[in-house]
Amino acid sequence: GQSLEQPSEVTAVEGAIVQINCTYQTSGFYGLSWYQQHDGGAPTFLSYNALDGLEETGRFSSFLSRSDSYGYLLLQELQMKDSASYFCAPKAAGNKLTFGGGTRVLVKP
Amino acid sequence: DGGITQSPKYLFRKEGQNVTLSCEQNLNHDAMYWYRQDPGQGLRLIYYSQIVNDFQKGDIAEGYSVSREKKESFPLTVTSAQKNPTAFYLCASYRGMGEAFFGQGTRLTVV
Repeated sequence: GQSLEQPSEVTAVEGAIVQINCTYQTSGFYGLSWYQQHDGGAPTFLSYNALDGLEETGRFSSFLSRSDSYGYLLLQELQMKDSASYFCAPKAAGNKLTFGGGTRVLVKP
Repeated sequence: DGGITQSPKYLFRKEGQNVTLSCEQNLNHDAMYWYRQDPGQGLRLIYYSQIVNDFQKGDIAEGYSVSREKKESFPLTVTSAQKNPTAFYLCASYRGMGEAFFGQGTRLTVV
C-alpha cells in the first residue's frame, strides 16, 4: 500500500527555523517534492530530491533518505509570508504524484 | 505566457447533474493531473494522464470521469454518482524533476 505522514501544524516566530518531516511508503518511488500553498491559492513547487542528501534553495532546504523513506523541509529565517501549508509529494513510477495531508505553518511576530 | 487555465473559477451544480470542469495547458507537458481538496485537507489524486488517449485512476476516481483527446486539454466530469462533490478541484501538469504546475482551481458547490 501507500501512505504519507507529516505533522498537521507547526507554529514558530519570525526569524526561527522550522523542520517539517515526511515519512512515506510509495511503490515505485522515484523522488520527493515539496510544495507551498497559501490559503485559497494553488500549490507552488519548492524543491525536489531524487537522491539522498540535502538540497538548498535560498532560505528553504530539503533532505531525503531513501533507505529510511523519510524526508524533511527546512524553513530558515522565517518570515510572515511563509505562513502557509506545506505538502510533501512522492513521485512514483508512471509520473504518479501523490500529496500528503499538509503541514500548516503559522508564523507569529 | 505559458500556464494552466482552469474554468470556471466557481461552479454551482444541482444534485443529480453532471458537470464538466475545464483544464487547458500551453506548456507542452505530457502528464496532467486532477486533484480534489477539501477544507483544511491535503490534495487527493482523482485521475492522471501520462500521454494523449491514456489515463489512470488515482486514489478517489469513483464518481468522476476524464478524457485526454488533446495534449493541451484534460477535462474532468463530476457525475451524479459522486456522493459529495462540493470541493476545490485543482488541475496540474508535470514538467519533470518533481515539478508540477497548477491551475488556480475550480470551487464546485452542490446546491
